[in-house]
Parts: sequence; structure tokens; C-alpha cells
Amino acid sequence: KAGVTQTPRYLIKTRGQQVTLSCSPISGHRSVSWYQQTPGQGLQFLFEYFSETQRNKGNFPGRFSGRQFSNSRSEMNVSTLELGDSALYLCASSLEPQIPNYGYTFGSGTRLTVV
Amino acid sequence: AQSVAQPEDQVNVAEGNPLTVKCTYSVSGNPYLFWYVQYPNRGLQFLLKYITGDNLVKGSYGFEAEFNKSQTSFHLKKPSALVSDSALYFCAVRVWVTDKLIFGTGTRLQVFP
Repeated sequence: KAGVTQTPRYLIKTRGQQVTLSCSPISGHRSVSWYQQTPGQGLQFLFEYFSETQRNKGNFPGRFSGRQFSNSRSEMNVSTLELGDSALYLCASSLEPQIPNYGYTFGSGTRLTVV
Repeated sequence: AQSVAQPEDQVNVAEGNPLTVKCTYSVSGNPYLFWYVQYPNRGLQFLLKYITGDNLVKGSYGFEAEFNKSQTSFHLKKPSALVSDSALYFCAVRVWVTDKLIFGTGTRLQVFP
């Protein structure tokens, strides 16, 4: 079966612009989580979606937002980009939360560079 | 608060020797623990997980991990390292009753020929 698909793979944006990243989970997976990876801060949780509802949100400013569609695909949006938003953004999918024996599958990520 | 610590930024080992990458955790509730590997410019690849059951968990590519509740540790091990195992390794713990993972800072494994 197809893995987690993140598009685009690479993105270059200018400060002040906004960006939308997309994540298509594994077929049948209904939970999608987003992470930001930077050399300085490591891997940090952004948000988690299940059944089109945001269940958890990390400690990021309101410029970071997301949503999930009825087909479980998810998008995240970053508005008013800052240089510090340059990072690898990773998406993970899982079957559904609160089931003990499951795992998370990560996509290859979107590398965002803000100039 | 839940947390994960990977005390070593880098581990160096000769090919053919056993390797250990250390991880300790702090959680409330049952610990759901994971190991992931990341190769340059790639996402995270799942290696293994501990949910419940045997303390020795076997995973992908010959890796295994030992869950030690008394020491709150979940060290990653492999009996014989390969040069191709050189990568960045992350330990993670699932926050109870959510899908949120808290990651350690990562350990770079360097296997020398």
C-alpha cells in the first residue's frame, strides 16, 4: 500500500508570504499529526487531527494552522512567514488514536526554506 | 510532564561490533515507546515499538530494544553494526491518550568500516 505522501518536497518562500503544505495519509488511516524539525529545536509537535477535528496543538504561534478533510488528507498553513520557520515539516499518519497497538508512519517531509 | 532523553549526541562504533543507543523516559501512565531512524533529507522510518508484553522488542533491520521499567530506559541495540546503519536515531514516547509523540534530541550513529 502507498505510504504517507507529502507535497511539495521542497519549497522556497519569502518572508511575509504564506504557505500551505499537504499530507495524504496511508489509506484507511484517519489520524494525522504534524511535526517541525529544525537543527536547533529538534522534532516538535505541531498538531494532531482525527475525523476532521484538531485534538491537540503544540506550542506554536497562531500563524501555524491546519485542517483535515473528510478523506483524512490534511493541510497545514503558515502565514506571515519568518526566517525561523525554515524547517523540515513532517506528517505522520496512524490508524486512529486510543488504540494501544498501533504505530505511526511518517512521510518524507516538506523542506521549507524562508528567504 | 512526559519527556525523553537521549544522553549521547553521537555514538561511534566499528563495523561488526555491537551498538547501543541510549534512551530514558518519563511518562505518566503506561509508556508507549518508539524508535525511529532518519537518513539525510528523509523522513522518519519506524524501527520498533514497545506497547506491552516482552521487555525485549525486536524490530526492523536487526535492531532490538530492551524496555526496563525500573530504570525507565528503552535502549536500542544491534549485535553487529553495519556501515549502512549510520544515521540519526530518535527515541519517542506517546503522550497518554493522544497521538502526540515527544521525541528525544536524537543520537547520530556513525559506524566506521
